[in-house]
Amino acid sequence: EDKVVQSPLSLVVHEGDTVTLNCSYEVTNFRSLLWYKQEKKAPTFLFMLTSSGIEKKSGRLSSILDKKELSSILNITATQTGDSAIYLCAVLVQGAQKLVFGQGTRLTINP
Amino acid sequence: DTGVSQNPRHKITKRGQNVTFRCDPISEHNRLYWYRQTLGQGPEFLTYFQNEAQLEKSRLLSDRFSAERPKGSFSTLEIQRTEQGDSAMYLCASSRAVQGIGNTEAFFGQGTRLTVV
Repeated sequence: EDKVVQSPLSLVVHEGDTVTLNCSYEVTNFRSLLWYKQEKKAPTFLFMLTSSGIEKKSGRLSSILDKKELSSILNITATQTGDSAIYLCAVLVQGAQKLVFGQGTRLTINP
Repeated sequence: DTGVSQNPRHKITKRGQNVTFRCDPISEHNRLYWYRQTLGQGPEFLTYFQNEAQLEKSRLLSDRFSAERPKGSFSTLEIQRTEQGDSAMYLCASSRAVQGIGNTEAFFGQGTRLTVV
């Protein structure tokens, strides 16, 4: 069965810290890996990663995929209280065309 | 508003009643997905459509659940004889399948929060 596991499940840091969120996967037919940020409502898209080793960057957020290790990391530098959210990792499975989500990492940034 | 739109945003219903939710995807998106999310969990896949064809249904989707996308545009998700375990956030997402490239990223609607009492 396709599985996506995120760690840690919960993380509390101080504003200004740098955080690294982890995602590992076991799927039958990997197509791409996506990161979403979820506050009180729907997940909002952050990154889609298809190729290994190529970093994607958006402001203070960056992410990279390692297909050999079947994993990805999401980095957030100089964290702000507005970064507090649940960060979801999902894998798009080829053929089935569905996103398989991890449980999410609840990130809390304290001022 | 050009994003994915879901209605209603909240629904409270008594056990045993039927409910129907609507999703309007981004207009040029040909793929539409339904997910269910309970507290503390990531979204779980329920079903997806390419245009009007329902191409996959999860084992989670019991025979009380049915989804349609009659003209390949908006979609409805109906739950018959609701049970308390159906209480969850129901999320709709859409994406575009591009020949030779694959899927674009999926964009989510705000969700419909269902509470069965």
